[in-house]
Amino acid sequence: NAGVTQTPKFRVLKTGQSMTLLCAQDMNHEYMYWYRQDPGMGLRLIHYSVGEGTTAKGEVPDGYNVSRLKKQNFLLGLESAAPSQTSVYFCASSSAGGGEGGYTFGSGTRLTVV
Amino acid sequence: AQSVTQLGSHVSVSEGALVLLRCNYSSSVPPYLFWYVQYPNQGLQLLLKYTSAATLVKGINGFEAEFKKSETSFHLTKPSAHMSDAAEYFCAVSDGRGSTLGRLYFGRGTQLTVWP
Repeated sequence: NAGVTQTPKFRVLKTGQSMTLLCAQDMNHEYMYWYRQDPGMGLRLIHYSVGEGTTAKGEVPDGYNVSRLKKQNFLLGLESAAPSQTSVYFCASSSAGGGEGGYTFGSGTRLTVV
Repeated sequence: AQSVTQLGSHVSVSEGALVLLRCNYSSSVPPYLFWYVQYPNQGLQLLLKYTSAATLVKGINGFEAEFKKSETSFHLTKPSAHMSDAAEYFCAVSDGRGSTLGRLYFGRGTQLTVWP
């Protein structure tokens, strides 16, 4: 009963380094999302995908790229990390269009860029 | 796009007191509505959701919320707070029904503190 799994859970990067965050879901969900959570800002959508091979920009896409080569995986990449990307990143997935099913969230990745 | 307003970024109550967390949304099409809870250093868990059945929705841990279309509100309540309720609570609203995108829009969150 894994649901949505995010790896890694914690990471410290130096400015300019790159990394990839992995999100995997085992619920056969079509839709997947990447959010960042910052104090007082709530959850802000970075990128999302409505199916395998598709991706789209959310509210704060700059500095991030994503890929959805397999239905169960959604990868978030930082090509050149900046301190402003210090945040907690959450992946989520959903099954239904229109949002009826709500999201299932991963447990998050805490990223610090120094 | 939807917008969600949670009134009060911080709410403090005594143990045993009523909990009321406010949420208003903007929508021209009936949406689905959700409350999520986030305990420290954890992800978000679904507390309850409204999907067009009864307007009073019961969730886990004794929480409930009432959908009021005329007020575009979905306030979260619990009659008697417990120390374990201390967490951050997020209200979320979906794209309007009929949308092909399953996106949720989140409020900025309300931090609930429960005093002994």
